[in-house]
Amino acid sequence: AQSVSQHNHHVILSEAASLELGCNYSYGGTVNLFWYVQYPGQHLQLLLKYFSGDPLVKGIKGFEAEFIKSKFSFNLRKPSVQWSDTAEYFCAVNAGGGSYIPTFGRGTSLIVHP
Amino acid sequence: DAGVTQSPTHLIKTRGQHVTLRCSPISGHKSVSWYQQVLGQGPQFIFQYYEKEERGRGNFPDRFSARQFPNYSSELNVNALLLGDSALYLCASSVRDTGPPLSGNTIYFGEGSWLTVV
Repeated sequence: AQSVSQHNHHVILSEAASLELGCNYSYGGTVNLFWYVQYPGQHLQLLLKYFSGDPLVKGIKGFEAEFIKSKFSFNLRKPSVQWSDTAEYFCAVNAGGGSYIPTFGRGTSLIVHP
Repeated sequence: DAGVTQSPTHLIKTRGQHVTLRCSPISGHKSVSWYQQVLGQGPQFIFQYYEKEERGRGNFPDRFSARQFPNYSSELNVNALLLGDSALYLCASSVRDTGPPLSGNTIYFGEGSWLTVV
């Protein structure tokens, strides 16, 4: 069974700081990878996704993630965070092929101080 | 277009009662899945339905059941509620359910139904 680990449970940054949130998964086959964001009081929204091709994926709001197959990782990055990036971030993985049932990590709470 | 809509948004039930949560997918989406999100955790998969058939089931007891209607809307039912069932229940829809390539088969979430069991 696939699993997802998000090692940073709580991250506190000041505006303009750089961000990197870790995500590691355990599944040996082809995977599809996602980052979702949940702003306070809002529903989960897709930030970016990787299905195939260029392992460096660019998403909305200046976020990007790099798929490193050899490390089973899909870390989320942003060069300069803003106060409005304060949210909960979830990494999700699903095995390629078969039913589309993503497994979510437990999430990382990001607080950005103005 | 409207997104995934869920009702009710908040509800309080007592232990042992039954609850029905409803979901309308994005227009044109035929697959609906349900997740439970406990505070401080990521969403946990409960069910997936596609074309009215159950296509996946997570590790939840038989007290949890669901169905999908001809218009692709869905209901999640939970019987004999326990305190531990208190959570945010999320519905998500997607165009299709299975098969490579999955490119484009992104799921879109509703705002959820907050269930409190007292």
